[in-house]
Amino acid sequence: EAGVVQSPRYKIIEKKQPVAFWCNPISGHNTLYWYRQNLGQGPELLIRYENEEAVDDSQLPKDRFSAERLKGVDSTLKIQPAELGDSAVYLCASRKGVGSPLHFGNGTRLTVT
Amino acid sequence: EDKVVQSPLSLVVHEGDTVTLNCSYEVTNFRSLLWYKQEKKAPTFLFMLTSSGIEKKSGRLSSILDKKELSSILNITATQTGDSAIYLCAVAYNNNDMRFGAGTRLTVKP
Repeated sequence: EAGVVQSPRYKIIEKKQPVAFWCNPISGHNTLYWYRQNLGQGPELLIRYENEEAVDDSQLPKDRFSAERLKGVDSTLKIQPAELGDSAVYLCASRKGVGSPLHFGNGTRLTVT
Repeated sequence: EDKVVQSPLSLVVHEGDTVTLNCSYEVTNFRSLLWYKQEKKAPTFLFMLTSSGIEKKSGRLSSILDKKELSSILNITATQTGDSAIYLCAVAYNNNDMRFGAGTRLTVKP
């Protein structure tokens, strides 16, 4: 079984530039999560999808962040414009359903200069 | 407010020592508690606990859930340098909500 695939692995951009992250979850996993992890902290939820529907985006800074999950499979997370404080690791995870564990991708390490 | 608290935040031990990591939670409609190990990249799944008092074991690692105390412990016996990592506790609640603690950074010295 292929795991959760994320790209790119690393991204360095200047502040005010846009950036996008891509995630391909495990086949058959209807629930998809985007987390942000700052150094020395646990992952913090940005948005959760059930199929193509965003069911929890309460922690997503909507003035600059957006996400989509077309056709309920792949997902993209965008930041426009990026700020210095957005530097973090962005993790995508998927889950088959309630009662099963989350499976994480390797993450995208974003550095905003 | 839903929360997951891990302790200690950081721990340094020597090879061969036994460690106990703690996780406590306050959430609505608890479903399960999960432990993950995070080295340099993605967190990898260790255990999922749903029933109180039943120990899950994998090699030198074991974990148990206490629903009455709203907590769980992760034990690692005979630690090795390869156990050095951040150990994350996560709690699944409501429908598909999942909240993580801040993690415990374990360093095992030779």
